[in-house]
Amino acid sequence: DAGITQSPRHKVTETGTPVTLRCHQTENHRYMYWYRQDPGHGLRLIHYSYGVKDTDKGEVSDGYSVSRSKTEDFLLTLESATSSQTSVYFCAISETGGSYEQYFGPGTRLTVT
Amino acid sequence: TQLLEQSPQFLSIQEGENLTVYCNSSSVFSSLQWYRQEPGEGPVLLVTVVTGGEVKKLKRLTFQFGDARKDSSLHITAAQPGDTGLYLCATVPFNKFYFGSGTKLNVKP
Repeated sequence: DAGITQSPRHKVTETGTPVTLRCHQTENHRYMYWYRQDPGHGLRLIHYSYGVKDTDKGEVSDGYSVSRSKTEDFLLTLESATSSQTSVYFCAISETGGSYEQYFGPGTRLTVT
Repeated sequence: TQLLEQSPQFLSIQEGENLTVYCNSSSVFSSLQWYRQEPGEGPVLLVTVVTGGEVKKLKRLTFQFGDARKDSSLHITAAQPGDTGLYLCATVPFNKFYFGSGTKLNVKP
């Protein structure tokens, strides 16, 4: 299994509070991704990174920010959580971009009340 | 509107039956991937198809990429309970992954 961990695995928070999710990899892969998964929508890309301090927006980036100060860590921040951000969040890594294999983390279940 | 449309959304069959799930789009893709996701886990890549008309086999699973590279299918022969899961197709235009909404398969013993 690829070395990807996500923390926390479960979180319940209140509307309006800031939340940061962490993705940590031990594979030294260049690309890292954040997705959210909701019923009926599959996985939707939020942001991705193609190197340290290099990030780009995905399909559903509004309300989210990311940072990557080290190769191994990719942080996803909800500045002011809303109920619509209740979801399961997955981090993924890949050695290169394009159609190469992504390896997914175990997911973080976030509930915003 | 989703870039990739998967059908059916849900499929419940008995062990031993055959099935086909589909991934369709109006766009042409350079490649398409299929993933399987089990409950509580992240998706795992099954196959990548890159050539129009390409057929790839993975044990009892057969993947086909349409000649026009706009659609793909996954056929499972003699389904087993271990095949239960969510099957997702994905494509990667401009380094950004787009997934279909998936087909949820339940194989009953």
